[in-house]
Amino acid sequence: KNEVEQSPQNLTAQEGEFITINCSYSVGISALHWLQQHPGGGIVSLFMLSSGKKKHGRLIATINIQEKHSSLHITASHPRDSAVYICAVRYGNGNQFYFGTGTSLTVIP
Amino acid sequence: EPEVTQTPSHQVTQMGQEVILRCVPISNHLYFYWYRQILGQKVEFLVSFYNNEISEKSEIFDDQFSVERPDGSNFTLKIRSTKLEDSAMYFCASMTGGAHYEQYFGPGTRLTVT
Repeated sequence: KNEVEQSPQNLTAQEGEFITINCSYSVGISALHWLQQHPGGGIVSLFMLSSGKKKHGRLIATINIQEKHSSLHITASHPRDSAVYICAVRYGNGNQFYFGTGTSLTVIP
Repeated sequence: EPEVTQTPSHQVTQMGQEVILRCVPISNHLYFYWYRQILGQKVEFLVSFYNNEISEKSEIFDDQFSVERPDGSNFTLKIRSTKLEDSAMYFCASMTGGAHYEQYFGPGTRLTVT
């Protein structure tokens, strides 16, 4: 019930390409969190959303509640975007976040 | 910019020993979390803490684990008798409040149990 699935697992792109990372989850989420994990292990919050779309710089996150699906887009990708991107969801009124396994992105110059 | 800090960055301990991992959340935050990530695996929720008590815990958070906010600034995770399988990166996170606020993560403590 609480599985969070991400695709693709690994992604290699050329600098400048448009990137899409997908996240699917079960029903009843109250929030979805996109995170970036750097090669050194540190985790940075990118977006928290429960509906619609958010944009920050070259990053765009969308969520479709009916389809139980969220996407993270990176426009004009750059080698510094290379990291693991993680989707995490919270169900209902709970405090627990359920994490996906992450998408490892490598952007080649 | 305020940040979550964790100490130590790396802890090596022998099986059966007690360890305490320390976190200083962002000062006006109200919700605190511990997560772990075993090497090569996904991040797993351990426990959330609000209003000086545990608000939710996962199946991983058994009697060997405890959390405390002893002085209003530190937030600690104690593992009473470490096992080899406790070797992981442990992340602390804090959040100001509410369902739609982002969590801020600390840099993590790498725990190695030998």
